[in-house]
Amino acid sequence: ETGVTQSPTHLIKTRGQQVTLRCSSQSGHNTVSWYQQALGQGPQFIFQYYREEENGRGNFPPRFSGLQFPNYSSELNVNALELDDSALYLCASSTPGQGNNEQFFGPGTRLTVL
Amino acid sequence: AQSVTQLGSHVSVSEGALVLLRCNYSSSVPPYLFWYVQYPNQGLQLLLKYTSAATLVKGINGFEAEFKKSETSFHLTKPSAHMRDAAEYFCAAFNAGGTSYGKLTFGQGTILTVHP
Repeated sequence: ETGVTQSPTHLIKTRGQQVTLRCSSQSGHNTVSWYQQALGQGPQFIFQYYREEENGRGNFPPRFSGLQFPNYSSELNVNALELDDSALYLCASSTPGQGNNEQFFGPGTRLTVL
Repeated sequence: AQSVTQLGSHVSVSEGALVLLRCNYSSSVPPYLFWYVQYPNQGLQLLLKYTSAATLVKGINGFEAEFKKSETSFHLTKPSAHMRDAAEYFCAAFNAGGTSYGKLTFGQGTILTVHP
Protein backbone atom coordinates (compact mmCIF):
# COMPACT_ATOMS: atom_id res chain seq x y z
CA GLU A 1 0.00 0.00 0.00
CA THR A 2 1.47 3.32 -1.09
CA GLY A 3 1.14 6.21 1.33
CA VAL A 4 0.50 9.87 0.62
CA THR A 5 3.29 11.50 -1.35
CA GLN A 6 3.94 15.19 -2.01
CA SER A 7 6.21 17.07 -4.35
CA PRO A 8 8.39 18.99 -4.27
CA THR A 9 9.89 18.61 -0.81
CA HIS A 10 11.15 22.17 -0.65
CA LEU A 11 10.48 25.22 -2.76
CA ILE A 12 11.73 28.80 -2.73
CA LYS A 13 9.74 31.53 -4.48
CA THR A 14 9.69 35.30 -4.48
CA ARG A 15 6.79 37.53 -3.56
CA GLY A 16 4.22 37.87 -6.32
CA GLN A 17 5.07 34.58 -8.01
CA GLN A 18 2.78 31.60 -8.41
CA VAL A 19 3.36 28.07 -7.11
CA THR A 20 1.87 24.63 -7.66
CA LEU A 21 2.19 21.86 -5.11
CA ARG A 22 1.30 18.25 -5.85
CA CYS A 23 -0.14 15.40 -3.84
CA SER A 24 -0.82 11.75 -4.58
CA SER A 25 -3.38 10.17 -2.32
CA GLN A 26 -3.02 6.85 -0.57
CA SER A 27 -4.22 3.86 -2.52
CA GLY A 28 -8.00 3.48 -2.21
CA HIS A 29 -8.62 7.02 -0.97
CA ASN A 30 -10.81 9.39 -3.01
CA THR A 31 -10.63 12.55 -0.90
CA VAL A 32 -7.75 14.98 -0.51
CA SER A 33 -7.46 17.79 2.04
CA TRP A 34 -4.84 20.52 2.13
CA TYR A 35 -3.49 22.24 5.24
CA GLN A 36 -1.09 25.11 5.85
CA GLN A 37 1.20 24.85 8.86
CA ALA A 38 3.01 28.06 9.68
CA LEU A 39 6.09 27.83 11.88
CA GLY A 40 5.19 27.08 15.48
CA GLN A 41 1.49 26.60 14.79
CA GLY A 42 -0.96 23.81 14.19
CA PRO A 43 -2.11 23.00 10.66
CA GLN A 44 -4.91 25.17 9.26
CA PHE A 45 -7.45 23.70 6.85
CA ILE A 46 -7.33 25.20 3.36
CA PHE A 47 -9.82 23.07 1.44
CA GLN A 48 -10.89 19.53 0.60
CA TYR A 49 -11.52 17.86 -2.74
CA TYR A 50 -13.86 14.95 -3.35
CA ARG A 51 -14.73 13.58 -6.79
CA GLU A 52 -12.81 16.41 -8.43
CA GLU A 53 -14.83 19.15 -6.74
CA GLU A 54 -14.13 21.40 -3.78
CA ASN A 55 -16.03 19.93 -0.84
CA GLY A 56 -15.26 22.34 1.98
CA ARG A 57 -13.06 25.39 2.42
CA GLY A 58 -11.35 27.11 5.31
CA ASN A 59 -10.64 30.79 5.78
CA PHE A 60 -8.21 31.28 2.89
CA PRO A 61 -8.45 33.84 0.06
CA PRO A 62 -9.35 32.86 -3.53
CA ARG A 63 -5.73 33.04 -4.63
CA PHE A 64 -5.49 29.62 -2.98
CA SER A 65 -7.06 27.20 -5.43
CA GLY A 66 -6.92 23.52 -6.14
CA LEU A 67 -7.65 20.68 -8.47
CA GLN A 68 -8.34 17.01 -8.12
CA PHE A 69 -7.76 14.60 -10.97
CA PRO A 70 -9.61 11.40 -11.91
CA ASN A 71 -6.89 9.33 -10.22
CA TYR A 72 -7.62 11.34 -7.02
CA SER A 73 -4.27 13.11 -7.01
CA SER A 74 -4.45 16.82 -6.31
CA GLU A 75 -2.75 20.16 -6.83
CA LEU A 76 -2.67 23.24 -4.65
CA ASN A 77 -2.08 26.49 -6.51
CA VAL A 78 -1.21 29.75 -4.82
CA ASN A 79 -1.13 32.96 -6.86
CA ALA A 80 0.45 36.30 -5.98
CA LEU A 81 2.59 34.82 -3.24
CA GLU A 82 3.00 36.81 -0.04
CA LEU A 83 5.69 36.51 2.61
CA ASP A 84 3.13 35.06 5.04
CA ASP A 85 2.53 32.16 2.67
CA SER A 86 5.83 30.70 3.84
CA ALA A 87 4.82 27.48 5.59
CA LEU A 88 4.73 23.71 5.46
CA TYR A 89 1.88 22.60 3.20
CA LEU A 90 0.40 19.26 4.14
CA CYS A 91 -1.80 17.05 2.07
CA ALA A 92 -4.01 14.37 3.61
CA SER A 93 -6.09 11.67 1.99
CA SER A 94 -9.12 9.83 3.27
CA THR A 95 -12.25 8.01 2.27
CA PRO A 96 -15.44 9.47 3.75
CA GLY A 97 -18.02 7.09 5.06
CA GLN A 98 -15.68 4.61 6.63
CA GLY A 99 -16.89 5.79 9.98
CA ASN A 100 -13.68 7.06 11.43
CA ASN A 101 -12.89 10.15 9.33
CA GLU A 102 -9.20 9.40 9.62
CA GLN A 103 -6.93 11.44 7.40
CA PHE A 104 -3.50 10.18 6.37
CA PHE A 105 -0.86 12.86 5.92
CA GLY A 106 1.99 13.22 3.51
CA PRO A 107 5.45 14.52 4.48
CA GLY A 108 4.63 18.04 3.34
CA THR A 109 6.13 20.66 1.05
CA ARG A 110 8.15 23.43 2.70
CA LEU A 111 7.49 26.70 0.85
CA THR A 112 9.68 29.71 1.48
CA VAL A 113 8.62 33.05 0.02
CA LEU A 114 11.35 35.70 -0.16
CA ALA B 1 -17.26 26.65 15.19
CA GLN B 2 -15.19 23.77 16.38
CA SER B 3 -12.15 24.67 18.46
CA VAL B 4 -9.38 22.69 20.10
CA THR B 5 -7.18 23.95 22.89
CA GLN B 6 -3.96 22.34 24.01
CA LEU B 7 -2.83 23.50 27.44
CA GLY B 8 0.91 23.98 27.55
CA SER B 9 2.96 24.67 24.44
CA HIS B 10 5.97 22.90 25.99
CA VAL B 11 6.08 19.89 28.31
CA SER B 12 9.32 18.50 29.68
CA VAL B 13 9.64 15.13 31.43
CA SER B 14 12.40 12.78 32.47
CA GLU B 15 12.86 9.46 30.73
CA GLY B 16 10.62 6.91 32.45
CA ALA B 17 8.23 9.52 33.84
CA LEU B 18 4.54 9.88 33.09
CA VAL B 19 3.61 11.90 30.02
CA LEU B 20 0.41 13.96 30.16
CA LEU B 21 -0.55 16.24 27.28
CA ARG B 22 -3.81 18.13 27.69
CA CYS B 23 -6.48 18.76 25.08
CA ASN B 24 -9.92 20.34 25.38
CA TYR B 25 -12.43 20.66 22.57
CA SER B 26 -15.53 22.72 22.00
CA SER B 27 -18.71 20.76 22.29
CA SER B 28 -19.87 19.07 19.11
CA VAL B 29 -22.07 16.03 18.67
CA PRO B 30 -20.63 13.64 17.83
CA PRO B 31 -16.97 14.61 18.16
CA TYR B 32 -14.31 12.68 16.35
CA LEU B 33 -11.01 13.35 18.06
CA PHE B 34 -7.46 12.53 17.11
CA TRP B 35 -3.92 12.83 18.40
CA TYR B 36 -1.12 13.21 15.87
CA VAL B 37 2.64 13.30 16.37
CA GLN B 38 5.04 15.29 14.23
CA TYR B 39 8.78 14.70 14.22
CA PRO B 40 11.07 17.47 12.94
CA ASN B 41 10.74 18.12 9.21
CA GLN B 42 8.12 15.42 8.81
CA GLY B 43 4.38 15.16 8.28
CA LEU B 44 1.80 14.08 10.84
CA GLN B 45 1.47 10.52 12.07
CA LEU B 46 -1.74 9.33 13.72
CA LEU B 47 -1.27 8.16 17.31
CA LEU B 48 -4.87 7.34 18.15
CA LYS B 49 -8.48 8.30 17.46
CA TYR B 50 -11.79 8.51 19.30
CA THR B 51 -14.88 7.71 17.26
CA SER B 52 -17.59 7.31 19.97
CA ALA B 53 -16.78 3.71 20.80
CA ALA B 54 -14.73 3.06 23.97
CA THR B 55 -13.88 6.19 25.94
CA LEU B 56 -10.37 4.94 26.68
CA VAL B 57 -8.49 4.74 23.42
CA LYS B 58 -5.18 2.95 23.02
CA GLY B 59 -2.79 4.02 20.30
CA ILE B 60 0.65 3.30 18.99
CA ASN B 61 3.93 3.56 20.90
CA GLY B 62 2.23 3.00 24.27
CA PHE B 63 0.08 6.14 24.18
CA GLU B 64 -3.55 6.26 25.23
CA ALA B 65 -6.21 8.93 25.66
CA GLU B 66 -9.45 9.15 27.58
CA PHE B 67 -12.52 10.91 26.22
CA LYS B 68 -14.38 12.73 29.00
CA LYS B 69 -17.55 14.33 27.73
CA SER B 70 -18.31 16.08 31.04
CA GLU B 71 -14.95 17.84 30.89
CA THR B 72 -14.81 18.15 27.06
CA SER B 73 -11.31 16.74 27.33
CA PHE B 74 -9.22 14.21 25.46
CA HIS B 75 -5.89 14.15 27.27
CA LEU B 76 -3.00 12.03 25.96
CA THR B 77 -0.95 9.93 28.37
CA LYS B 78 1.93 7.49 28.38
CA PRO B 79 3.02 5.77 31.61
CA SER B 80 6.75 5.89 30.87
CA ALA B 81 8.42 8.37 28.54
CA HIS B 82 11.17 7.32 26.17
CA MET B 83 13.70 9.51 24.43
CA ARG B 84 12.15 8.66 21.07
CA ASP B 85 8.85 10.28 22.23
CA ALA B 86 10.40 13.73 21.91
CA ALA B 87 8.33 15.43 19.21
CA GLU B 88 5.42 17.82 18.74
CA TYR B 89 1.94 16.51 19.45
CA PHE B 90 -1.29 17.82 18.02
CA CYS B 91 -4.85 17.22 19.14
CA ALA B 92 -7.47 17.54 16.40
CA ALA B 93 -11.24 17.41 15.99
CA PHE B 94 -13.13 16.47 12.86
CA ASN B 95 -15.74 18.88 11.56
CA ALA B 96 -18.78 16.91 10.44
CA GLY B 97 -20.91 19.76 9.12
CA GLY B 98 -21.18 23.22 7.58
CA THR B 99 -19.04 24.80 4.89
CA SER B 100 -15.88 23.36 6.40
CA TYR B 101 -17.04 19.76 6.22
CA GLY B 102 -14.12 17.37 6.28
CA LYS B 103 -11.93 19.82 8.10
CA LEU B 104 -9.68 18.76 10.92
CA THR B 105 -9.35 21.54 13.49
CA PHE B 106 -5.99 21.35 15.22
CA GLY B 107 -4.79 22.62 18.53
CA GLN B 108 -1.69 24.78 18.73
CA GLY B 109 0.56 21.82 19.45
CA THR B 110 2.62 20.73 22.45
CA ILE B 111 6.34 20.15 22.15
CA LEU B 112 7.41 17.23 24.34
CA THR B 113 11.00 17.19 25.55
CA VAL B 114 12.35 14.06 27.24
CA HIS B 115 15.43 14.39 29.45
CA PRO B 116 17.75 11.47 30.15
